[in-house]
Amino acid sequence: EDQVTQSPEALRLQEGESSSLNCSYTVSGLRGLFWYRQDPGKGPEFLFTLYSAGEEKEKERLKATLTKKESFLHITAPKPEDSATYLCAVQADNAGNMLTFGGGTRLMVKP
Amino acid sequence: NAGVMQNPRHLVRRRGQEARLRCSPMKGHSHVYWYRQLPEEGLKFMVYLQKENIIDESGMPKERFSAEFPKEGPSILRIQQVVRGDSAAYFCASSPYNTEAFFGQGTRLTVV
Repeated sequence: EDQVTQSPEALRLQEGESSSLNCSYTVSGLRGLFWYRQDPGKGPEFLFTLYSAGEEKEKERLKATLTKKESFLHITAPKPEDSATYLCAVQADNAGNMLTFGGGTRLMVKP
Repeated sequence: NAGVMQNPRHLVRRRGQEARLRCSPMKGHSHVYWYRQLPEEGLKFMVYLQKENIIDESGMPKERFSAEFPKEGPSILRIQQVVRGDSAAYFCASSPYNTEAFFGQGTRLTVV
């Protein structure tokens, strides 16, 4: 069974304090790993897709990296508007287009 | 290009009533997915549909739940005889194929 575990569950940062969020996964064959951002009361907003170990993608203050067992979402010099829940999901080779999500990391950035 | 549209945004039903949730995918997207997010839990896959076909319903409860994506019109998630445990946020997503899925804002169902 595919599994995704995100850590920490919650993270408090001061504005400008860089950090990383972890997503560990177990999947029979990885087709893709996805990062989403979810604000309270809203739907998940797509951020990145990573397909193979060693791949990296960047968007503003966010950078996502992928290894064979985990992915990291690095946040550089975060701002209060980066506060949200960050979700990681995997898509397996044998699972059609289904996404298996982790429980998310709730990020709070204080000014 | 409008995003994934879900309606209603909020739905209140009494126990035993039916709930109908609607989802219009992004233009050009022929793949639709439904996910459920229970309070304090992660997103769980329910069903994957293409036009007029259910591709994968492995995450959908066998009883009371059904989904369709007709040739014309939105995808519908139908919950019959709702119970308190059905209270959750239901999200629809769409994709052009087996690429990243884009989510709607969700329908928050409250069963009283």
